[in-house]
Amino acid sequence: GAGVSQSPSNKVTEKGKDVELRCDPISGHTALYWYRQSLGQGLEFLIYFQGNSAPDKSGLPSDRFSAERTGGSVSTLTIQRTQQEDSAVYLCASSLAGDRGLRLREKLFFGSGTQLSVL
Amino acid sequence: GQNIDQPTEMTATEGAIVQINCTYQTSGFNGLFWYQQHAGEAPTFLSYNVLDGLEEKGRFSSFLSRSKGYSYLLLKELQMKDSASYLCRTDKLIFGTGTRLQVFP
Repeated sequence: GAGVSQSPSNKVTEKGKDVELRCDPISGHTALYWYRQSLGQGLEFLIYFQGNSAPDKSGLPSDRFSAERTGGSVSTLTIQRTQQEDSAVYLCASSLAGDRGLRLREKLFFGSGTQLSVL
Repeated sequence: GQNIDQPTEMTATEGAIVQINCTYQTSGFNGLFWYQQHAGEAPTFLSYNVLDGLEEKGRFSSFLSRSKGYSYLLLKELQMKDSASYLCRTDKLIFGTGTRLQVFP
């Protein structure tokens, strides 16, 4: 597609339920990133995928959070047993990122995010 | 680890010039990015510096000093539409908390 696509755009769930957030990166982009942003706050890094390499999960806040990237394209971020503090906008980004040395220089293209509200 | 610091908020007047600073501590530095984020929208790329000095792009310029761990974004001829948050990011995966700029008429 023309840009990074995220779905749903809004998700309201009850505390304790599991949620899945989807990200469809720009075609041809090998790197995919998940961030979250609480109201009025900066971007908090969650997880990074680069090609077939093991993902960088260093930003995941707890073991309730996990992410997959199937076929090097679409990614799903799963939050189990949601808590109210999980309420935030979850942003996905992708970049061309070739080899590791160049990866970190690539500009990120962001999707419009999923607004998650945990009641 | 790394640390990125930016002022939380700034205000300026339409037509003026504003400088938004970003200081960082990181290892293996390879470049610094600036992004703009309007309220309720996703961040969009503004500029990238890998060498010391000033990169000019229209009304926006970005400066980098690697030895000082310092960058700034300079916005000239401010317009109301420039009211947004401005985030700096090193070539790692971490963003600063962003500077919210409000432009007044």
